[in-house]
Amino acid sequence: EAGVTQFPSHSVIEKGQTVTLRCDPISGHDNLYWYRRVMGKEIKFLLHFVKESKQDESGMPNNRFLAERTGGTYSTLKVQPAELEDSGVYFCASSQDLTTGELFFGEGSRLTVL
Amino acid sequence: AQSVTQLGSHVSVSEGALVLLRCNYSSSVPPYLFWYVQYPNQGLQLLLKYTSAATLVKGINGFEAEFKKSETSFHLTKPSAHMSDAAEYFCAVSDPLKYGGSQGNLIFGKGTKLSVKP
Repeated sequence: EAGVTQFPSHSVIEKGQTVTLRCDPISGHDNLYWYRRVMGKEIKFLLHFVKESKQDESGMPNNRFLAERTGGTYSTLKVQPAELEDSGVYFCASSQDLTTGELFFGEGSRLTVL
Repeated sequence: AQSVTQLGSHVSVSEGALVLLRCNYSSSVPPYLFWYVQYPNQGLQLLLKYTSAATLVKGINGFEAEFKKSETSFHLTKPSAHMSDAAEYFCAVSDPLKYGGSQGNLIFGKGTKLSVKP
């Protein structure tokens, strides 16, 4: 069974540019999460999809971030325009059964904004 | 608001020695507690979890953690460290009353990097 996959693994862009991160959850997992870790800080929740619907987006920093999950399969997280403080590692996680408390994480996409 | 504190961003132990990684939480309700591990170039993996059953929880790879409500702690231990335990460890908490019991919105500590010396 394939795990959670994220693309790209590393992206380097200049301030003001746009970047789109993609996450493919484990097949059949309705719940998909985005988290972010800024260097030296905690991993922080960004948002939660249940299928194609946003269940909770309380962690999204601002309106420069747009997350989508068309068809309830893969998800994209777009940052437009990128700022220096957006640099960090963006993790995607998925889960089918939330009662187990186990999220399956991808390896993360490292974003560097210069 | 809930928060998680992990004491020590770096911990170094000798192979065969006891591993003790500390985690304290603050929560207005008894939370669910988790330890995740991230090995180099991999995603986070669940080590163990506490969800209001037994206070001593056993996880994978010989790790265990004890929930102590009076101390608001959930420290992670392993009796004998192995070289393969070198990784970054994250303590996390979720609110069992949120989203009807959803445990997916986790609050993480800053992580502790464990080094194991031969």
